[in-house]
Amino acid sequence: QKEVEQNSGPLSVPEGAIASLNCTYSDRGSQSFFWYRQYSGKSPELIMFIYSNGDKEDGRFTAQLNKASQYVSLLIRDSQPSDSATYLCAPATGSEKLVFGKGTKLTVNP
Amino acid sequence: DTGVSQDPRHKITKRGQNVTFRCDPISEHNRLYWYRQTLGQGPEFLTYFQNEAQLEKSRLLSDRFSAERPKGSFSTLEIQRTEQGDSAMYLCASSPTSGANTGELFFGEGSRLTVL
Repeated sequence: QKEVEQNSGPLSVPEGAIASLNCTYSDRGSQSFFWYRQYSGKSPELIMFIYSNGDKEDGRFTAQLNKASQYVSLLIRDSQPSDSATYLCAPATGSEKLVFGKGTKLTVNP
Repeated sequence: DTGVSQDPRHKITKRGQNVTFRCDPISEHNRLYWYRQTLGQGPEFLTYFQNEAQLEKSRLLSDRFSAERPKGSFSTLEIQRTEQGDSAMYLCASSPTSGANTGELFFGEGSRLTVL
């Protein structure tokens, strides 16, 4: 089983809709989870992190974590064309390295 | 610009040649990471430095790969006897002391390697 699984997509949503991005992980010891955004041809940048079960909201972004199910998600409300990017999930592994999923490519159509 | 700087941005080489990439991290960051990314994949961890010490190295990293950070500032990643499978984007990232606990890695723009 891969350490981090994400639907590679592409996921296509209309402007203004809610985009839902999902990630499962295999390491039950993971305590922290990070979402990175990577625009085409650019490097990844951190947009959200979550440590505790439940929801964490930051503007239009909500991260949801369920440690029992080893599942973390990212919701983007009122999606904008500028949100079109690949979203990478990265659980902390207990060492210094972050292990990234393949990413989900999101396209928001005007 | 005080972000992470990588050089060269693009490198085309023939199979069997050696290549070296340089990374200059954000000056106050003592942690430095190298990742590799191929098309359609997420970044794959290669190695990590805290100051000048190389503390972790991927088991997948061939012995043709070597990285250094001699004075705890800039780092180099050398690939010897390149193979076509080495073609990828090589990403360098740095982070402050809190490092991967906060997940905030600051990535450079990457060095794209093409092996012919």
